[in-house]
Amino acid sequence: SQTIHQWPATLVQPVGSPLSLECTVEGTSNPNLYWYRQAAGRGLQLLFYSVGIGQISSEVPQNLSASRPQDRQFILSSKKLLLSDSGFYLCAWSTRVGLNTEAFFGQGTRLTVV
Amino acid sequence: DAKTTQPNSMESNEEEPVHLPCNHSTISGTDYIHWYRQLPSQGPEYVIHGLTSNVNNRMASLAIAEDRKSSTLILHRATLRDAAVYYCILRDVPYNNNDMRFGAGTRLTVKP
Repeated sequence: SQTIHQWPATLVQPVGSPLSLECTVEGTSNPNLYWYRQAAGRGLQLLFYSVGIGQISSEVPQNLSASRPQDRQFILSSKKLLLSDSGFYLCAWSTRVGLNTEAFFGQGTRLTVV
Repeated sequence: DAKTTQPNSMESNEEEPVHLPCNHSTISGTDYIHWYRQLPSQGPEYVIHGLTSNVNNRMASLAIAEDRKSSTLILHRATLRDAAVYYCILRDVPYNNNDMRFGAGTRLTVKP
């Protein structure tokens, strides 16, 4: 069966510090991978998605970046965090086999920038 | 990009049916209609999806209008555990587009 791992669950970081959030998927190959951010009480904002190793599509300009060094690994990074980067970060994957399939989400990382 | 419109919030009584509407007037021929729900402090979970025909599964039913410009998620008997934010999104087939965008969703409150 397929699983998605996302860590850490919670993180408190000072302004200006770097960030690295990791997401890994098991039990599938060549998935689409996604990073979302959710501000308190708001909807999900798509940050990045990837259809393959080294292929990253960025949805909004920001001081975040994403990388996909391996097929089932997706990393969200920042060199210097801002207060506005606080939020709930979610990783998701979906298969690219077939016409249309469901997506699966991780449990999220709650980031507080202080 | 095709988008969806949902009411911000809805209320229901426990053990009564709930109909959650979604408008998607600019839907394309290859867009599938997906529904997800997000419980507090958790990632969203898949509920159901469809293309043209109505769909049923153990969680819910999806009724799709004949012109596909709207759809309704039906929870047949709401329970307190169904209180969540429900998202209706459109997903194109992978060979056309691979992004997956969410709106604000509908916050469903279930009263005992």
